[in-house]
Amino acid sequence: EADIYQTPRYLVIGTGKKITLECSQTMGHDKMYWYQQDPGMELHLIHYSYGVNSTEKGDLSSESTVSRIRTEHFPLTLESARPSHTSQYLCASSDGVGSTEAFFGQGTRLTVV
Amino acid sequence: KNQVEQSPQSLIILEGKNCTLQCNYTVSPFSNLRWYKQDTGRGPVSLTIMTFSENTKSNGRYTATLDADTKQSSLHITASQLSDSASYICVVSDRGSTLGRLYFGRGTQLTVWP
Repeated sequence: EADIYQTPRYLVIGTGKKITLECSQTMGHDKMYWYQQDPGMELHLIHYSYGVNSTEKGDLSSESTVSRIRTEHFPLTLESARPSHTSQYLCASSDGVGSTEAFFGQGTRLTVV
Repeated sequence: KNQVEQSPQSLIILEGKNCTLQCNYTVSPFSNLRWYKQDTGRGPVSLTIMTFSENTKSNGRYTATLDADTKQSSLHITASQLSDSASYICVVSDRGSTLGRLYFGRGTQLTVWP
């Protein structure tokens, strides 16, 4: 069982609200990732981090922002939620490149009404 | 363009039967290929990971094969169980960047009927 946790699991929120999706891992991994996944579709990388104070945008443009103040914590924030942000958000971490494993959290299912 | 294509898109089989899922990729330079199982509403869980030099790898009733020359992989599930119902995702990693970028297929949705 991977030690990477996301909260909340489900979130329904009104348009214009600010939200933060939490992701924490206890494996000491340097690399962390946020993916967005619509039903029946592939995962798209929206943010990643090599380590503390390192954040980069991924392949899919996103209005969300991330921060990496601590190794174990990689929260994602939406300043003003819109219905187009409705999706599943998955957090992952790994300790290197190549053949190393990537562990995923359970995901946050976000619905903006 | 780096891509990962999976087939079939969906598959229904009876409990106890075997099945094979396919994955073709164009990711280069290739680092490794992973198969993940994703239950509905949950995060993906790794089944197997194979590097360039590995042709086959097993994990219980799951056996993955890799042909790095033709850039094809398959996941064979033996004696299927109801709990095998899930989406199976092929993920290919490149070694052209320090990130070890992951490229995801859209998955094959497997349904096992009793």
